[in-house]
Amino acid sequence: GAVVSQHPSWVICKSGTSVKIECRSLDFQATTMFWYRQFPKQSLMLMATSNEGSKATYEQGVEKDKFLINHASLTLSTLTVTSAHPEDSSFYICSARPGKGASPLHFGNGTRLTVT
Amino acid sequence: QKEVEQNSGPLSVPEGAIASLNCTYSDRGSQSFFWYRQYSGKSPELIMSIYSNGDKEDGRFTAQLNKASQYVSLLIRDSQPSDSATYLCAVSRGDMRFGAGTRLTVKP
Repeated sequence: GAVVSQHPSWVICKSGTSVKIECRSLDFQATTMFWYRQFPKQSLMLMATSNEGSKATYEQGVEKDKFLINHASLTLSTLTVTSAHPEDSSFYICSARPGKGASPLHFGNGTRLTVT
Repeated sequence: QKEVEQNSGPLSVPEGAIASLNCTYSDRGSQSFFWYRQYSGKSPELIMSIYSNGDKEDGRFTAQLNKASQYVSLLIRDSQPSDSATYLCAVSRGDMRFGAGTRLTVKP
């Protein structure tokens, strides 16, 4: 159980375009989902906390107008990278937990974004 | 000070040996502690979770938690080449914060 599905697994886009990444909890409801970004040989950095039915909470230094998060239902959160630039190229991973704050996070398979 | 710090790697051990991974955290209010394994190009997968002081064993893995010292560790017994990966320490007080990871190589 506790499966998180993320799509697409990789995407290549041109500079200036927007990319949408979907994150679904397949067998549980998630009122909260988390979006992480990981650059090569670095650790996961929390970008934002996605809350169902309300605005996302962004970490310091993460531009909310550039990384749009929508958590429209208890099983789906989307991250849209707007006006992408080569420096946005990274590994984006979503996660969720079926229980409350003490339970572990389960991760999607990640999305490798390359902006040319 | 980083919120979650792990001992710098890379760590290399021979097959069959014990690998010891360490982690310290700064937030005394942290309630949950986890070890994840991440293979290159893949997302993290949960290995162990620990919530109270002491040891917790699961197969070849043992997690140790000392809240007074704000210290978490992971021991891998009888290390196998397939254990070669980056190990991430994670600490949660609602959201989850990760250490930079320790890269482990188990040599045949």
